[in-house]
Order: sequence, then structure tokens, then C-alpha cells
Amino acid sequence: AQTVTQSQPEMSVQEAETVTLSCTYDTSESDYYLFWYKQPPSRQMILVIRQEAYKQQNATENRFSVNFQKAAKSFSLKISDSQLGDAAMYFCAYRFRGGSNYKLTFGKGTLLTVNP
Amino acid sequence: KAGVTQTPRYLIKTRGQQVTLSCSPISGHRSVSWYQQTPGQGLQFLFEYFSETQRNKGNFPGRFSGRQFSNSRSEMNVSTLELGDSALYLCASSWGDRGPSGYTFGSGTRLTVV
Repeated sequence: AQTVTQSQPEMSVQEAETVTLSCTYDTSESDYYLFWYKQPPSRQMILVIRQEAYKQQNATENRFSVNFQKAAKSFSLKISDSQLGDAAMYFCAYRFRGGSNYKLTFGKGTLLTVNP
Repeated sequence: KAGVTQTPRYLIKTRGQQVTLSCSPISGHRSVSWYQQTPGQGLQFLFEYFSETQRNKGNFPGRFSGRQFSNSRSEMNVSTLELGDSALYLCASSWGDRGPSGYTFGSGTRLTVV
């Protein structure tokens, strides 16, 4: 079974600084997707960035970028120029691309605090 | 366009009762998934419906059930509620294909069982 591990329960960063959130996963599959979701106090999970495993290039979305290391099964999220609005719980998630199972497997999350 | 709508936002029920939660997906999305979120277990997959058929099911007891209607709206039902069912229930909609599109989540229903 696939598992996703986020080893940092909490992280903090100063406004305008850069922070990196870690995620590792375990799977025997070679074709899958990885996601980072953000959950602010409003509770709604918001997609931050996605990575397709067959693409070697790391995904980037404005201030958010990932470091995808397929062999190491690592998928970290880098937030540059941190803003107060980035404070939230961040979840790393995995989804197998093939077969008939479309579920997302989530890590336990990392609570990010942004200090002014 | 309208997002994923979950109703109600909050619910308080007594042990032994049953409850029905509703989820309206983004227009055009045919897949609806349900997740249970608790502080201890994190986010766990309940089930997924596509075109009115349950396509996947997580490891939850039979007290948890769901259905999807022809307009893609979905309901989740929990019978004989237990204290441990207290959680945030999140619904997510997607196109339902194998593409890389992510899932769009609703704001959840906070269920408290007393």
C-alpha cells in the first residue's frame, strides 16, 4: 500500500523568507501524481501544486515550487517570499495514475506559521 | 464558477442516530470522493463515486455508505453513529479520469457525535 510521510508536524518562517516542507512517499508504482494541498482555518483544501511522476522537470507555480526526487521518493515544497496568507496546514498527497483506484493518499500534514 | 458545496457546515448528533451529508460538485465534474479528517488519523478515504457508481471504497465499516445522483450530487450516510465518528467530512470533485487534474474540495461538514 502507498504511504505518504511528512516528518515535520510544525514549521515556522519569517515573512518574506523561504521555507521548505518535506514529504516522502512509498510506492511500487512508477506512474503517479503528487500534490501539495493547503488547508487554512476555513477548512477548504486548496490545491497548491501538482507533479506528474513521468515529468523530470520540477513543477512551479508562482512562489511555490517542488523538488521532486523520484528515485529517493521525495517531494518537497518550497515557498519563497512567504506571506502571512501562506499560514495553513499543508498536506502532501499521492495518487496512482493507472488502475481503477482514484483515491488520494495523504500525509499527516505540516502546520506552517508565518511570523510578521 | 461555483465551487464544491457541502451542507450542512456543522452538525451535532447523538450516539445511535444516523446522519446524511450532502455534496454538490463543480458543474461538469462526474466524480465525487469523500474523506474523513480527524486529528488522530488524518485524512482517510471513504469512497468515490463516478457516474452514479461506487468506483472505490476505503476501509470503513458498512455503517458508512453513499450514493450519487444523475446530476452528480452525492450524499454520504452514517448509521448508528459512534463517538469516534466525530470528524470533518470533506467532499472532493473531479473530472474522474486518469489525468493530472487535482481534486477540488468543499469546506467540509463538521460532525460532532455526543
